[in-house]
Amino acid sequence: DQQVKQNSPSLSVQEGRISILNCDYTNSMFDYFLWYKKYPAEGPTFLISISSIKDKNEDGRFTVFLNKSAKHLSLHIVPSQPGDSAVYFCAASVTGTASKLTFGTGTRLQVTL
Amino acid sequence: GAVVSQHPSWVICKSGTSVKIECRSLDFQATTMFWYRQFPKQSLMLMATSNEGSKATYEQGVEKDKFLINHASLTLSTLTVTSAHPEDSSFYICSARARGGEGYGYTFGSGTRLTVV
Repeated sequence: DQQVKQNSPSLSVQEGRISILNCDYTNSMFDYFLWYKKYPAEGPTFLISISSIKDKNEDGRFTVFLNKSAKHLSLHIVPSQPGDSAVYFCAASVTGTASKLTFGTGTRLQVTL
Repeated sequence: GAVVSQHPSWVICKSGTSVKIECRSLDFQATTMFWYRQFPKQSLMLMATSNEGSKATYEQGVEKDKFLINHASLTLSTLTVTSAHPEDSSFYICSARARGGEGYGYTFGSGTRLTVV
């Protein structure tokens, strides 16, 4: 039962353009969402998060949008840079349940020159 | 920033032997540690949650007698894969959360690639 899904396994974007990574979830109890970046053979690195009381959070080149009614969130990276090439995971949590994270399946982003 | 040191980064072992993976929080006290495994091209699957000084809570389908977790101090948690078999080959990652309530300061270790031959 995959409660957090990233339906695009891969995405290729030209340098300087916008990268949009999508994530859908099924558990309506999730109230906190996070995005992580991961390189091969390394642990995930936190990028940005959003609480369910918001619909947008921005940090530099990264913006996360949350649509609660659609149970959908997206990560926008603009402008995309070659160093952004990695696998991106979205994760969700329910506050108060030991805060364990449920991860999506990941999207591999390739930023080309 | 918070750092979690995980080692070894990779290990190859013979089938039937046991392997211990350590996860240390270097500059903060980790009241809760999470252990994940990741198969190639798949998501990170939570195996268990451990709180310092108490027994770990395992996710459904994870054998607690096979994957022994110890969280004896606020800075160290270990995962021991007992009687390892080739199907246990995977990438194991720990994550630590600092003392202080519901903050979402998860810090991940760099992972351990286990290969059982």
